[in-house]
Amino acid sequence: DTGVSQNPRHKITKRGQNVTFRCDPISEHNRLYWYRQTLGQGPEFLTYFQNEAQLEKSRLLSDRFSAERPKGSFSTLEIQRTEQGDSAMYLCASSKGLLTGRTEQFFGPGTRLTVL
Amino acid sequence: LAKTTQPISMDSYEGQEVNITCSHNNIATNDYITWYQQFPSQGPRFIIQGYKTKVTNEVASLFIPADRKSSTLSLPRVSLSDTAVYYCLVGDMRGYQKVTFGTGTKLQVIP
Repeated sequence: DTGVSQNPRHKITKRGQNVTFRCDPISEHNRLYWYRQTLGQGPEFLTYFQNEAQLEKSRLLSDRFSAERPKGSFSTLEIQRTEQGDSAMYLCASSKGLLTGRTEQFFGPGTRLTVL
Repeated sequence: LAKTTQPISMDSYEGQEVNITCSHNNIATNDYITWYQQFPSQGPRFIIQGYKTKVTNEVASLFIPADRKSSTLSLPRVSLSDTAVYYCLVGDMRGYQKVTFGTGTKLQVIP
């Protein structure tokens, strides 16, 4: 178990640019989640995948945001035309399926986005 | 999803037992109670999960009364490294596990 990894760890971009983050979940986990966290707040749910299927998206995920998980392995989160309000920590988590009896989510270290 | 209420912050001296209580009056029959710990600039880390009564693992205990409208996370003999934000979450563990984090409890351990 090598844990959830995220790249890059930090990203600084100018307003209006597009950015893409990558998440590599724990290998046997079929569930993957994206969260956004701003200073002093708890993580906010953005979207969820079971294998390659994106099953739910938060209303926080505007049309500038898109997430994919091709082949049910790694996932990418893209933000188009970034705005200063997008500055936050973007967290990825993964978990096993319910039938395994273990339901906790394992989080990665996050990608900190700063939009200038 | 059931809403949770927990203290914004707590202070404790090193070596003491810390109890953080979370209220979840609207908890549903299928909801589990889960606690996470988060250090600055890191992702949350799972601590413990339970449905009823008491659950204990190597780092904490979770006490859940019969009505399940609250729960208490107990950290024995805290050290400075336990300074972190602790989140109480309530959710249905069937299907996918969408969870809602509140603002958490910021625990400060004092030497």
